[in-house]
Amino acid sequence: GQQVMQIPQYQHVQEGEDFTTYCNSSTTLSNIQWYKQRPGGHPVFLIQLVKSGEVKKQKRLTFQFGEAKKNSSLHITATQTTDVGTYFCAGLRGYSTLTFGKGTMLLVSP
Amino acid sequence: SAVISQKPSRDICQRGTSLTIQCQVDSQVTMMFWYRQQPGQSLTLIATANQGSEATYESGFVIDKFPISRPNLTFSTLTVSNMSPEDSSIYLCSVRGTGREQYFGPGTRLTVT
Repeated sequence: GQQVMQIPQYQHVQEGEDFTTYCNSSTTLSNIQWYKQRPGGHPVFLIQLVKSGEVKKQKRLTFQFGEAKKNSSLHITATQTTDVGTYFCAGLRGYSTLTFGKGTMLLVSP
Repeated sequence: SAVISQKPSRDICQRGTSLTIQCQVDSQVTMMFWYRQQPGQSLTLIATANQGSEATYESGFVIDKFPISRPNLTFSTLTVSNMSPEDSSIYLCSVRGTGREQYFGPGTRLTVT
């Protein structure tokens, strides 16, 4: 079945440092989605990437979808304490169900 | 986006008992999804619930253990039956948006003792 791998599992940064999480699928995806889950909260949709090589920005967050539509990354510039949480990528093949990666837990120290 | 509520928000249950979790959406949706998230883990899809038909279960999940009802387009229930401590988890319902993104309810935190 479809697998979505995500690295690193955990990262601890100082406020102001950059952060990147990477997502890799075993199969070509029709789209990839990113979610953020704050501690004690539920996953919240951030963005969806559909096109090969697509890059989207949301303020300090930059999302990329690979040319082969099998990998993606989320980069946060100059992290803030409000960025704390677990970031999940989720791959969609066709119109089937989403497959979530294991997530990257981000801890930001002030 | 959809607004989703779940009841109960948390519960502590004895092994061998059952718990029914309710999910209410503020708009009519065709498909509702039930996920399980074990502590510190990712989200695992249990089943997809369509109104008017049997739920579709993912590998490793069976109807006898996780019966689902979907009586209308805004409501669904998931029952966790004959619970064991391994069922301790967060159970989340979700719906799909127009762009195939998913919106999640606040979750039900279940502890089985």
